[in-house]
Parts: sequence; structure tokens; C-alpha cells
Amino acid sequence: EPEVTQTPSHQVTQMGQEVILRCVPISNHLYFYWYRQILGQKVEFLVSFYNNEISEKSEIFDDQFSVERPDGSNFTLKIRSTKLEDSAMYFCASSDRLSNQPQHFGDGTRLSIL
Amino acid sequence: DAKTTQPPSMDCAEGRAANLPCNHSTISGNEYVYWYRQIHSQGPQYIIHGLKNNETNEMASLIITEDRKSSTLILPHATLRDTAVYYCIVRSRLKGGGNKLTFGTGTQLKVEL
Repeated sequence: EPEVTQTPSHQVTQMGQEVILRCVPISNHLYFYWYRQILGQKVEFLVSFYNNEISEKSEIFDDQFSVERPDGSNFTLKIRSTKLEDSAMYFCASSDRLSNQPQHFGDGTRLSIL
Repeated sequence: DAKTTQPPSMDCAEGRAANLPCNHSTISGNEYVYWYRQIHSQGPQYIIHGLKNNETNEMASLIITEDRKSSTLILPHATLRDTAVYYCIVRSRLKGGGNKLTFGTGTQLKVEL
């Protein structure tokens, strides 16, 4: 069964450094998402992406964050200058074009900021 | 977004049916009910979704009341591997057909021997 894959599984970065989290969505999906989950807290929506542009973003997704689909398969989340509070699990998801189709999630990248 | 209410925790004996309730009394006519689960800190796993009819797949059954104000996820023969946090989510619509999922705190299901 096709699945969403994320790399790396764990990323350790010094505060202030840039980090790029990578995702390969399911191949025929057209909608892409990033969520995060701080340890012990809820899963929170960050951003959705369709047709090469952001379709919705949350208050968390400030100017330090950006997303890109650099080629036909990858979807990336960049954090320009990481803060301690960016430490979390980051989940990528994708869904089909039909509006009622479910989102399928990857297993996440654990981002640890030192 | 329609808000959902779930019990914080439930226990179930292995091999028995697990029935997880969810209230969504403010759901609107074109909003779907989705169920996901999360095992430890893995990514949320899609289980099932529905609009107004009952649904069944290889993982579970979804029973939605006629007034759509509540639903029940049924795992017919729970196993230890079904121990997870289960989320009932009413999907928000976004322009263009995409949608964000708003996760609550879910129900921690513990399946025991």
C-alpha cells in the first residue's frame, strides 16, 4: 500500500540554525500538509499546499517557516532560524483531489533543538 | 469547525468489541466525520470516515446517528495492537477542496488481556 515517507526520522540541530524536513507524499495525491506535535500535546495543523501554493496556514506558521515542492515528488518544510520551542514531531500528510478523501500521514520527523 | 467530545480513556478486553463514542452536536450538513488513531508518537493513522450512512472497512465500523450529532467507532475484535489514542474529527473545508484536520485530545484506548 502506498505511504507517505519522511526523512530524517530524527534531526538534532543547534538553535538558530536552518533545518529542512523532507517528505515524499503518495504519488497521485495533490494536497500536501504539515502538522506538528509538541511532546504531550495535540497534533496541530501548520500549513496546506495545493497547486504549488499555500492554501491555508495556521498562526504557528510564521515567517520562519516555508514550504516547497522542489520537484515532482518531494515536499519540504524549512525552518530558517530554529528556536527551542520548535522541538516537536513534524508530520507530513497528503490527500487525493477529491475533497472528502482522507489525509494519510507519514511517521514523522522528531526535531530536537539544542 | 464543529467541535467533538470524546471520553479521555477507555479499557477493553482483548477479543471483545471496542466501542468508542464521539459527540459532534454542531456538525453541519456537509461535514464528514473522520476517525484516526495514533500509536505512541507515530503518525496518525486513518481508520474510516462517513457522512451520514454507516460505514465498514477492514479495520472498523462507523455508526453515525440519524441526526448526525454523534457517532461510534467499533473495533469488532480488539487486540493489544489496537492500544492507541483514537481521534474523532469533523473535517473543516478549505477553499479549493483541501482541508485541515483539527485534532483534539482523543480517547486513549487500552486493550488488556
